[in-house]
Amino acid sequence: EVQLVEAGGGLVQPGGSLRLSCAASGFTFSSYSMNWVRQAPGKGLEWVSYIGYIGSGSAIIHYTDSVKGRFTISRDNAKNSLYLQMNSLRAEDTAVYYCARVSRPETADQHFDYWGQGTLVTVSS
Amino acid sequence: EIALTQSPATLSLSPGERATLSCRASQSVSSYLAWYQQKPGQAPRLLIYDASNRATGIPARFSGSGSGTDFTLTISSLEPEDFAVYYCQQRSSWPPLTFGGGTKVEIK
Repeated sequence: EVQLVEAGGGLVQPGGSLRLSCAASGFTFSSYSMNWVRQAPGKGLEWVSYIGYIGSGSAIIHYTDSVKGRFTISRDNAKNSLYLQMNSLRAEDTAVYYCARVSRPETADQHFDYWGQGTLVTVSS
Repeated sequence: EIALTQSPATLSLSPGERATLSCRASQSVSSYLAWYQQKPGQAPRLLIYDASNRATGIPARFSGSGSGTDFTLTISSLEPEDFAVYYCQQRSSWPPLTFGGGTKVEIK
């Protein structure tokens, strides 16, 4: 059974940092591109970041503009884990953060068939 | 950036009725459009990918159509568990990947 379990959310002051993790199981993690998607309270879905599968060298990485230079996505295939290092956090980063798997292995076909349960990040003083 | 506009924002229907949800893209996304369902406190669930393909385990009452800029999600006969928020998402041109603002299907 495919499972994605996020952790690391919490309350942080503006300007602070958090590191989110997503533990994957039930599939060959290294073969799948992964994403972070967030949802502010009462709002819609917003894509945050993408990291490609390790198929032929370095994984391709993308970010939405609002987090470039502040967030860093990474993966550890040996630990079947995805990460999101979030620095210089702002109030507008407050959201539930989901990790999400693309539906086909060894592709960048960006539709997501499995999602974690989400972890809440609250940025407030 | 491709913007996705969903309409209506809210759809009030009764169980057994047909639901028709719309998603319009600011430029062509070919058939690279997906639909998700989200219930309160839950993660989104993939319903339809590439405009018209049902994801694994999705009931046949859910269907998707369209191409280019205009897409439709149809629920042929609403079941009680179908009342939720629905989002469209394009993967044609990214980054950034974009989602629509959502349509809430509520019980009338």
